[in-house]
Amino acid sequence: EVQLVESGGGLVQPGGSLRLSCSVSGFTFNNHAMTWVRQAPGKGLEWVSEINVNEAKTNYADSVKGRFTISRDNSKSTLYLQMNNLRAEDTAVYYCAKYQGRGHPDNYWGTADSWGQGTLVTVSS
Amino acid sequence: EIVLTQSPATLSLSPGERATLSCRASQSVNNKLGWFQHKPGQAPRLLIYDVSSRATGISARFSGSGSGTDFTLTISSLEPEDFAIYYCQQRNGWPRTFGQGTKVETK
Repeated sequence: EVQLVESGGGLVQPGGSLRLSCSVSGFTFNNHAMTWVRQAPGKGLEWVSEINVNEAKTNYADSVKGRFTISRDNSKSTLYLQMNNLRAEDTAVYYCAKYQGRGHPDNYWGTADSWGQGTLVTVSS
Repeated sequence: EIVLTQSPATLSLSPGERATLSCRASQSVNNKLGWFQHKPGQAPRLLIYDVSSRATGISARFSGSGSGTDFTLTISSLEPEDFAIYYCQQRNGWPRTFGQGTKVETK
């Protein structure tokens, strides 16, 4: 059974940092690109970032570019999202998800076909 | 950025009725369009990818269609567990974008 479990969320002050983790099982982690998607309170889904199987290619939403860094440790089957200089508008539930494809270099990312339950990040003073 | 516009915002139907949800893209997405179901407090669930391919384990009452910039998710006969919010998403370009969602609620 495919499982993705996010952790690391919490309350942080504006300008602060947080690192989210997504531990996975039930599939071969290093064969799949991964992504983070968030949902602010009362809002819809927003794509945040994605990474290919070997970290050679990453992509970011403009709203987080330069502040967030996506990474992965294939030996630990874990995906990360380092979030710096957090703002109130980053408050959201953050979901990690597995892509169908590997991403770069074949450029086949596919669609996010398995998702975690999410972790809540609250940015407030 | 490719903008996806979903309609209607809310669909009020009864169990057993047919649901038709629309997603319109601001430019071609080369059929790289998926649909997700999302319930409060749960993980989003992939229903349809690449316009019309059902994801693993998804009931045949869910079907996707369309091309170019206009796409449709159809639920042939609503079951009680189908009342949720549905999002379309395109993966043709960056940033990946979602529609604003259609809420299917009980009439």
